[in-house]
Amino acid sequence: AQSVTQLGSHVSVSEGALVLLRCNYSSSVPPYLFWYVQYPNQGLQLLLKYTTGATLVKGINGFEAEFKKSETSFHLTKPSAHMSDAAEYFCAVSDRTGGGNKLTFGTGTQLKVEL
Amino acid sequence: DVKVTQSSRYLVKRTGEKVFLECVQDMDHENMFWYRQDPGLGLRLIYFSYDVKMKEKGDIPEGYSVSREKKERFSLILESASTNQTSMYLCASSFLAGQNQPQHFGDGTRLSIL
Repeated sequence: AQSVTQLGSHVSVSEGALVLLRCNYSSSVPPYLFWYVQYPNQGLQLLLKYTTGATLVKGINGFEAEFKKSETSFHLTKPSAHMSDAAEYFCAVSDRTGGGNKLTFGTGTQLKVEL
Repeated sequence: DVKVTQSSRYLVKRTGEKVFLECVQDMDHENMFWYRQDPGLGLRLIYFSYDVKMKEKGDIPEGYSVSREKKERFSLILESASTNQTSMYLCASSFLAGQNQPQHFGDGTRLSIL
């Protein structure tokens, strides 16, 4: 069975600082990986996804993530945090062998951006 | 843009009531999903559907049922609501083809059972 671990339920950074949100996955086969963002009182919005090919994936709002098979990781980064980045972020994995495009989500990381 | 619409943003019901949560998508997606979101637990899959009149249990189906009579509409039913079903409920949809299809989410229904 696949699973996702997000280290740190709460992360706080200063405006302009590097954002690093960690995600490790467990899957018996190479997975598809996703990062979603949830702003207050809204649903989840897709930030980026890794399917095949280039391991560095660029997403919306200046975010990117790197797939590292050897480390089973898919950490999310942004060089310079903005106040508008404050939100909850979810990593998710889709098992290529499964049916119906089911996703398994991590428990989320709440990002706080301080002045 | 894909639009997934959930019928209510906030809902308050009483214990024992039958509760219907409705979700409609406008992108002709085959897959539809219902999740429950609780603090510290992330999103947990309740039920999903590949096609009209088709449904499969997710990770936490107990106390819930679903209905999909039309491709664009997926309903979640709490047969007899209980206080432990107080939560945020999220609906999502996606294309069937390929495991790399992202899911598109509605804005959620925050349900309180008193």
